[in-house]
Amino acid sequence: DIVLTQSPDSLAVSLGERATINCKSSQIISYSSSYKNYLAWYQQRPGQPPRLLIYWASTRESGVPDRFSGGGSGTDFTLTISSLQAEDVATYYCQQYYALPYTLGQGTKLEIK
Amino acid sequence: QVQLQQSGPGLVKPSQTLSLTCAVSGDSISSNTAAWAWIRQSPSRGLEWLGRTFYRSQWSSDYEESVKSQITINSDTSKNQISLLLSSVTPEDTAVYYCVREIHPGGYFQNWGQGTLVTVSS
Repeated sequence: DIVLTQSPDSLAVSLGERATINCKSSQIISYSSSYKNYLAWYQQRPGQPPRLLIYWASTRESGVPDRFSGGGSGTDFTLTISSLQAEDVATYYCQQYYALPYTLGQGTKLEIK
Repeated sequence: QVQLQQSGPGLVKPSQTLSLTCAVSGDSISSNTAAWAWIRQSPSRGLEWLGRTFYRSQWSSDYEESVKSQITINSDTSKNQISLLLSSVTPEDTAVYYCVREIHPGGYFQNWGQGTLVTVSS
């Protein structure tokens, strides 16, 4: 199975500052023929199901604020929140859909400093 | 707008079968650009994809290896719903279970049910 390791496990950032979360895959999760990276990012607020933020590593889902961006390729990916808002307090997960079984990272808990 | 509404018991006895249903609105479960999956979440295992079913001229299913002997995911096109059966449960199967719509081509999870906490206990 493909293992996704997120860092850090938790992160405290001041309002208005940048937050960056990393996701490292145990193997390359892109096909050379398509140049697409099979990685998604989700936000989960307490008591709610996860919400899709980013797919294909960098494509923002409809309705997601543009302060959220995804980057990276191959095995190393990042989720960046350019200017942290109070409603961004949540746990964030990456997911690979390159190969079955689909797997998700362990999560990164984001808090306000 | 696609919505997934889950139903089923929150308490199951050890060795019995966990049974959950997911009613889908806003999309057909026979869509050839979707698959219908179950994911569970627990403090010990995190978010764990269990399996999926999908229709591409016929119904097919894929299951995660660790639950393959226990799991069945069914479809009911007349009700536009899918179901999860997990047999011979143990306390380790205690988790929040989510019904999820996978988008294809791809495999990312665009829509989630509200989640059902299932506790396995006598």
